[in-house]
Amino acid sequence: QKEVEQDPGPLSVPEGAIVSLNCTYSNSAFQYFMWYRQYSRKGPELLMYTYSSGNKEDGRFTAQVDKSSKYISLFIRDSQPSDSATYLCASWGDQAGTALIFGKGTTLSVSS
Amino acid sequence: SQTIHQWPATLVQPVGSPLSLECTVEGTSNPNLYWYRQAAGRGLQLLFYSVGIGQISSEVPQNLSASRPQDRQFILSSKKLLLSDSGFYLCAWTYRENTEAFFGQGTRLTVV
Repeated sequence: QKEVEQDPGPLSVPEGAIVSLNCTYSNSAFQYFMWYRQYSRKGPELLMYTYSSGNKEDGRFTAQVDKSSKYISLFIRDSQPSDSATYLCASWGDQAGTALIFGKGTTLSVSS
Repeated sequence: SQTIHQWPATLVQPVGSPLSLECTVEGTSNPNLYWYRQAAGRGLQLLFYSVGIGQISSEVPQNLSASRPQDRQFILSSKKLLLSDSGFYLCAWTYRENTEAFFGQGTRLTVV
């Protein structure tokens, strides 16, 4: 079983829509979560970092963590064509000496 | 502020040739350093990570190797490239485990 699962999409929305991107994880010991945005042929850019249940907001982006369901989400309000990218969720493993575990990414396309 | 540099951006190499990719971090000391490979549809695969000079941990046995000759320098190498080594190679750094991870812009390697 993959430790971080993410629907690859693609997801297509019109400009101005609210976008919901989701991941599930299998290990209840995971505590730290991140969302990255990756444009084609570029390195991932960190959007959000969270380490507790609940919501964290930054501009048009809101990250949500539900540890009881092992579910993490990223909401994008007022989506723009410039938001078109692949979004990756990631979690730190629960053992010392491990590295980030990534989902496979969801490709988002926002049309104007 | 901290920055991460990775080069070259693109590379085309023949099968059997050697490889050297370099990554350097500026503006911080003793970072944790990581090499990932990203293949289409397969997400980010951790190759190597290092928590200090000379300390390298390998996640995937293969014909690649990594070295950390200086505190903020991480090098990915191969003596003889295989076709299967083609991919997008990403370097990343963190202050320590369970903190935000920041990525370089990647090297797109094509082995022909």
